[in-house]
Amino acid sequence: DTGVSQDPRHKITKRGQNVTFRCDPISEHNRLYWYRQTLGQGPEFLTYFQNEAQLEKSRLLSDRFSAERPKGSFSTLEIQRTEQGDSAMYLCASSHRTHSYNEQFFGPGTRLTVL
Amino acid sequence: GQSLEQPSEVTAVEGAIVQINCTYQTSGFYGLSWYQQHDGGAPTFLSYNGLDGLEETGRFSSFLSRSDSYGYLLLQELQMKDSASYFCAVSVGGGNKLTFGTGTQLKVEL
Repeated sequence: DTGVSQDPRHKITKRGQNVTFRCDPISEHNRLYWYRQTLGQGPEFLTYFQNEAQLEKSRLLSDRFSAERPKGSFSTLEIQRTEQGDSAMYLCASSHRTHSYNEQFFGPGTRLTVL
Repeated sequence: GQSLEQPSEVTAVEGAIVQINCTYQTSGFYGLSWYQQHDGGAPTFLSYNGLDGLEETGRFSSFLSRSDSYGYLLLQELQMKDSASYFCAVSVGGGNKLTFGTGTQLKVEL
């Protein structure tokens, strides 16, 4: 499978714990995006990378959220001191200039439940 | 900030044509995209309009009018498998980050 992959697919945690998600984009896609989606809503932009550089972070993202893409390939999203409001589907997407970056390929997501 | 409006639900019969409208308010507009998402699935790209006019891809077409801040997705020859949520999304800024609408749930009936 050469699509975007995410791990884990599901995560249940207790409030106050830290969690980390991983995203592996399509090979050679130099842009990588993180979104969050809650039930009945569209995905909400969190942050994006071009290669290893984090170029933009949503103002809605609290300091408890951090993302990295150390070698310009896979990325991790960490949430510290989780809160019940963090429960959502966390989606990763990647894109390439072949399509002028207009087409984003989404992974299956990590569903986070905070108890 | 950005805001997008699209109908919450549309119902149509198999074989029919349906149009899903999207109006937006945003600064730094680059283009309008459409994504399909089945229940429990990931969003999948359908189309992108950077310029005014109609883009056609098989049974799906998308239209954009930048002056009216308006676009639509047209689905022809509806099939049961087209039952899904459809999101319009605006690209803002050079990074092509997407701001999504709240989605339109399309139900295709026999």
